[in-house]
Amino acid sequence: DSGVTQTPKHLITATGQRVTLRCSPRSGDLSVYWYQQSLDQGLQFLIQYYNGEERAKGNILERFSAQQFPDLHSELNLSSLELGDSALYFCASSVGSGSRSSYEQYFGPGTRLTVT
Amino acid sequence: AQKVTQAQTEISVVEKEDVTLDCVYETRDTTYYLFWYKQPPSGELVFLIRRNSFDEQNEISGRYSWNFQKSTSSFNFTITASQVVDSAVYFCALSEALKSGAGSYQLTFGKGTKLSVIP
Repeated sequence: DSGVTQTPKHLITATGQRVTLRCSPRSGDLSVYWYQQSLDQGLQFLIQYYNGEERAKGNILERFSAQQFPDLHSELNLSSLELGDSALYFCASSVGSGSRSSYEQYFGPGTRLTVT
Repeated sequence: AQKVTQAQTEISVVEKEDVTLDCVYETRDTTYYLFWYKQPPSGELVFLIRRNSFDEQNEISGRYSWNFQKSTSSFNFTITASQVVDSAVYFCALSEALKSGAGSYQLTFGKGTKLSVIP
């Protein structure tokens, strides 16, 4: 158990809908990363938050957005869903910065999104 | 841009055999970090090891060992005396110091190598 929690575990929804994925980082971790794992694209970095602020953006679509709340949990919002958005979405957390251990990211169990 | 290549898509070995998973990376940074993660059939990603670019010492942890060679930009992973529980997809990943300096340690992953250990 990595200490990172994600809910829900599975999500099935229809095209055009909007969903919210939730992540709680390990205790003490300030950084949250979101990754998407799909068969054709593999594991791709989407976005990172550090202590409530957006820190870096990767291959994240404009239809997707995220935020990190004062209690450090994070939510990934996916809207106008398309069939191609079906994937496993991972959240990872790390200490953040200022220490060697901050380079290591610990992943949650993932949310499997199926868009029908 | 950074890139991680895992040329072996799938490997099958018989239990107790040794197996090496290859990882080759590309980066323009002189300081970077390399990782291996394991994804068992249950789906979670399990952190195995981190290596700093300035530390080329090889590492052994039980049946696992890692061979980091900067000269060939490779970070290979060997499992000795493989077991059925080792069956998983293994990912090699890279994090660059350039981005890290800005406080972001985003990972660039390879496509993964699926290891099947047959009893």
